[in-house]
Amino acid sequence: AQSVTQLDSQVPVFEEAPVELRCNYSSSVSVYLFWYVQYPNQGLQLLLKYLSGSTLVKGINGFEAEFNKSQTSFHLRKPSVHISDTAEYFCAVSVGNQGGKLIFGQGTELSVKP
Amino acid sequence: GAGVSQSPSNKVTEKGKDVELRCDPISGHTALYWYRQSLGQGLEFLIYFQGNSAPDKSGLPSDRFSAERTGGSVSTLTIQRTQQEDSAVYLCASSLGTGGPAGYTFGSGTRLTVV
Repeated sequence: AQSVTQLDSQVPVFEEAPVELRCNYSSSVSVYLFWYVQYPNQGLQLLLKYLSGSTLVKGINGFEAEFNKSQTSFHLRKPSVHISDTAEYFCAVSVGNQGGKLIFGQGTELSVKP
Repeated sequence: GAGVSQSPSNKVTEKGKDVELRCDPISGHTALYWYRQSLGQGLEFLIYFQGNSAPDKSGLPSDRFSAERTGGSVSTLTIQRTQQEDSAVYLCASSLGTGGPAGYTFGSGTRLTVV
C-alpha cells in the first residue's frame, strides 16, 4: 500500500530565510507526486507536480521540489520565504492504476515570522 | 463555473440528523472526488466518480455515508444519522481524466459541525 510521510508537523521560520519541507513516500510502483498548499480558511491549491522527466520541478510562488527515487523523497524548497507563505502544505502521491486517487501526508504547517 | 463550488460552506447539525453536501465540479471535468479533512486525521479519500463507471467507494467510513453524481456533473454527499466524529471539512475536487497527470482542482470545502 502507498503511504506518505511528512516529517515535520510544524516549521517556524523567519522571513527571507530558506525553507525545506520534507516528504517521503512508499510505493512499489511508479507514482505521481504533488505538493498542495492550503491558506487559512481556503481550499487546497496545487503548488507543483512531478509526473516524469526532470527530477527538479518548479512550481508557483517560487517553490520547487526534487524527486529522489532512491530515497523515495519529494522535498519542497524555497530559497527565501515571505510572510504570505504562511499556510499548511500537503504532499500527496497518486498511483496511476488507482484512478487518480490521492494519498496525502499529514501536512506541515509553515509559519513565517517577521 | 470557473472553479469547483461547494455548498453550504458551513453546516451545523444535531447528532442523529441527516445532512447533504453539494459539489458543482468544473464544467467538462469527468472525474470527481470527495475527501474529508479532520483534526488528527489529515486528508482522507472518501469516494471517486469517473464518467459513467461505477464509483470507487473504498474510502467511505461507514454505511451512513453515501454519494451520488447526477448527469455526470453535480455530486451530493449524504451522511445519515450524523455523529460527532463526522465533524470535519468535506472537500470536493474535480479533474480532467483520472487526475493523475492533471492534478485536481479543489473546492473550498464544507465545514460540518455535529453538536
